[in-house]
Amino acid sequence: QVTLKESGPVLVKPTETLTLTCTVSGFSLSNARVGVSWIRQPPGKALEWLAHIFSNDEESYSTSLKSRLTISKDTSKSQVVLTMTNMDPVDTATYYCARIKALAGNDYWGQGTLVTVSS
Amino acid sequence: NFMLTQPHSVSESPGKTVTISCTGSSGSIVNNYVQWYQQRPGSAPTTVIYEDKQRPSGVPDRFSGSIDSPSNSASLTISGLKTEDEADYYCQSYDSSNGNWVFGGGTKLTVL
Repeated sequence: QVTLKESGPVLVKPTETLTLTCTVSGFSLSNARVGVSWIRQPPGKALEWLAHIFSNDEESYSTSLKSRLTISKDTSKSQVVLTMTNMDPVDTATYYCARIKALAGNDYWGQGTLVTVSS
Repeated sequence: NFMLTQPHSVSESPGKTVTISCTGSSGSIVNNYVQWYQQRPGSAPTTVIYEDKQRPSGVPDRFSGSIDSPSNSASLTISGLKTEDEADYYCQSYDSSNGNWVFGGGTKLTVL
């Protein structure tokens, strides 16, 4: 049974760095052509893709947010970590991690974690 | 940048059929797979269609996906509508020019 679960702070202050962890089970981060994406959704708005990382360590970032994002993985811990620097209130959103299979999109999603940016 | 455009909302009666469109802004939508996600209020998205027209196990065959090359669009069709189908639906595809994944703006389906 494939599951993903996001964890991290619920509240961050403006200018701080957000660190989110996605812990996966039911598959290995070393499986070929499999990876993990981070996707966010501001309240009442659409989904926005942020980044992904594949088993071969191939990384890709949203063009508009690339300067603020870093994604990494620890295969032994079955975890993928996303950091986003210089947080702003407009970054308030539910952040999801989801498994990705090659170019076939995201097949399993975590429950999401709401992050609020406020002083 | 590549964009996907969806209607903001659609509505239909139970038992009827509805089609939600997803139009690519440039290039050819047939060059990369399109996925469709269902998101009920307060819940995470779930996949209803992947690789243009494939259904994950557990998704009823009332859900189908298709691609129309001339209009550069993808479509999600739901037949025999049920009240439980009421949700937001998002299309997704890949922008080969910059390696970014792109979501459509979402379509709110009301079954009334």
